[in-house]
Amino acid sequence: GNSVTQMEGPVTLSEEAFLTINCTYTATGYPSLFWYVQYPGEGLQLLLKATKADDKGSNKGFEATYRKETTSFHLEKGSVQVSDSAVYFCALKHNAGNMLTFGGGTRLMVKP
Amino acid sequence: NAGVTQTPKFQVLKTGQSMTLQCAQDMNHEYMSWYRQDPGMGLRLIHYSVGAGITDQGEVPNGYNVSRSTTEDFPLRLLSAAPSQTSVYFCASRATGGDGYTFGSGTRLTVV
Repeated sequence: GNSVTQMEGPVTLSEEAFLTINCTYTATGYPSLFWYVQYPGEGLQLLLKATKADDKGSNKGFEATYRKETTSFHLEKGSVQVSDSAVYFCALKHNAGNMLTFGGGTRLMVKP
Repeated sequence: NAGVTQTPKFQVLKTGQSMTLQCAQDMNHEYMSWYRQDPGMGLRLIHYSVGAGITDQGEVPNGYNVSRSTTEDFPLRLLSAAPSQTSVYFCASRATGGDGYTFGSGTRLTVV
């Protein structure tokens, strides 16, 4: 079956530090890949997505590249801010399906 | 504002009680779903619906019922609450053929 594995948190960084949150997946075929962000007390919001191999999704300074050869979709940001503190979820969906399969989530804490 | 509305935001139930979590969307999305979020486990799909009158089970359907009489509403029913159902519940919707899911802000349920 499909599965998504994320690095466990929490990840604690100082403001302006470089961020990487690792995500690897197991799936047949060519799923679409997503990063969702959950701010405290809120629902999940789509951060970025990629639908085919070598696609790069980007939004709000965050980037992730769909790597078919390593089955990975790592999230990166060059300079984090305190306002980026949240829980980040990696997820996949098969193009013909409806279900999102989520990783366990990674909590990011950014200190001033 | 357009989006997914969940009620209530918080609920405490006693073991054996029943209740309905409400979910409504005003975006005319065909696809709606319910997830539960537990620490370290990401979000897991409970039930989903691809249109009015059509529902199906997700990964963890036991103990939950759903129905979809209108496009807008997708209530989740707990018939006899158990402590294992203590969780945060999210409703999400998506347009047919789209990738982007819109999530509600969640219902935090505690079963004592």
